[in-house]
Amino acid sequence: DGGITQSPKYLFRKEGQNVTLSCEQNLNHDAMYWYRQDPGQGLRLIYYSQIVNDFQKGDIAEGYSVSREKKESFPLTVTSAQKNPTAFYLCASSIIGEKLFFGSGTQLSVL
Amino acid sequence: DQQVKQNSPSLSVQEGRISILNCDYTNSMFDYFLWYKKYPAEGPTFLISISSIKDKNEDGRFTVFLNKSAKHLSLHIVPSQPGDSAVYFCAASNNAGNMLTFGGGTRLMVKP
Repeated sequence: DGGITQSPKYLFRKEGQNVTLSCEQNLNHDAMYWYRQDPGQGLRLIYYSQIVNDFQKGDIAEGYSVSREKKESFPLTVTSAQKNPTAFYLCASSIIGEKLFFGSGTQLSVL
Repeated sequence: DQQVKQNSPSLSVQEGRISILNCDYTNSMFDYFLWYKKYPAEGPTFLISISSIKDKNEDGRFTVFLNKSAKHLSLHIVPSQPGDSAVYFCAASNNAGNMLTFGGGTRLMVKP
């Protein structure tokens, strides 16, 4: 079954801690994306990557970091510099120029 | 500055009636528009799209209309069903890549 897998489903972060959200796809898509959704709001782009070993900042990249060492994987690290990390995080992938397919999301909360 | 706006945060419709969800955009470079449907605690799923060379695209109960001069698009669902209750996001991109800009979403509630 082809798709996008995000893990974990729920994640808790302590003060000053970095946490990493996993995103894996087996759709053979070149492009991958991270979005953040806050309650009652739309999706905001954090980072995106259109090719391995290259990625670009989105609208709200501060306090986040990513890597793209493999085509299938695009992990997102929420660093301690992100002061308001509580949100629903969505990973997506696509063939460049075509529609995005989303994973099922990770809910990050602060302890 | 929000380039894609969905001015109605929520919409309530009776089952069997038409649901009309609206979306406005400001960037004239946008030429590809999509609607996504999202259930709570899940990722959005693609619903329907339209390119700027068309003014209408239909898929079953779902029709998207695009008015380029008004920079406005709408999603019509007819007949509406209780399972259509979800948040609907409008998104837009240009051909420079497929970076989608999303609207804030409209929560649709279809009452039985």
